[in-house]
Amino acid sequence: EAGVAQSPRYKIIEKRQSVAFWCNPISGHATLYWYQQILGQGPKLLIQFQNNGVVDDSQLPKDRFSAERLKGVDSTLKIQPAKLEDSAVYLCASSLGYRLGQGLDTQYFGPGTRLTVL
Amino acid sequence: DAKTTQPTSMDCAEGRAANLPCNHSTISGNEYVYWYRQIHSQGPQYIIHGLKNNETNEMASLIITEDRKSSTLILPHATLRDTAVYYCIVRVGTSGTYKYIFGTGTRLKVLA
Repeated sequence: EAGVAQSPRYKIIEKRQSVAFWCNPISGHATLYWYQQILGQGPKLLIQFQNNGVVDDSQLPKDRFSAERLKGVDSTLKIQPAKLEDSAVYLCASSLGYRLGQGLDTQYFGPGTRLTVL
Repeated sequence: DAKTTQPTSMDCAEGRAANLPCNHSTISGNEYVYWYRQIHSQGPQYIIHGLKNNETNEMASLIITEDRKSSTLILPHATLRDTAVYYCIVRVGTSGTYKYIFGTGTRLKVLA
């Protein structure tokens, strides 16, 4: 089966500009996650969707970051305006999200988008 | 905050077993341990998970102590392609709201 797709793979922008990232999860996966990974650190969850509803956005800097998942499939993450500290890899992941049993809700990650803010 | 602690880095000779430890002393009774690895410039890749029994798949084995406060990921015959950052994660939440809290992982270098 196809994996999680993300685009673009790389993006360079200047501070105060806007940027958007796109994610297409694995077919049939109800739950979608966006993570931010700063160099040398583990991924940090920004927002989690169950179908098209937000489950957790407690770590999302809402003054500049926004995300949507229209129709419960694809998702976009936007930063407006970007700051230097937003330079990171943005990872999208998806999982089935159903009550299959406690151990089966494995997350599968896309390749990420590397953002550089100058 | 991450619920796991791991050594920052480890080396392993090619062909030998790589044993990666993880402490998760505050784990709750229904929380699973997941292991992922991240090869440079790629997204994290799922390896294995477990609750309290030891688990094995085609990639690795997971040994969980009886008190569940620590675990070890075993790569039985490490190859150069196993060089990566390995993350031990305790999955928190409930069905539909599960989430991973990543730590900084262990950087494994497999030496020729």
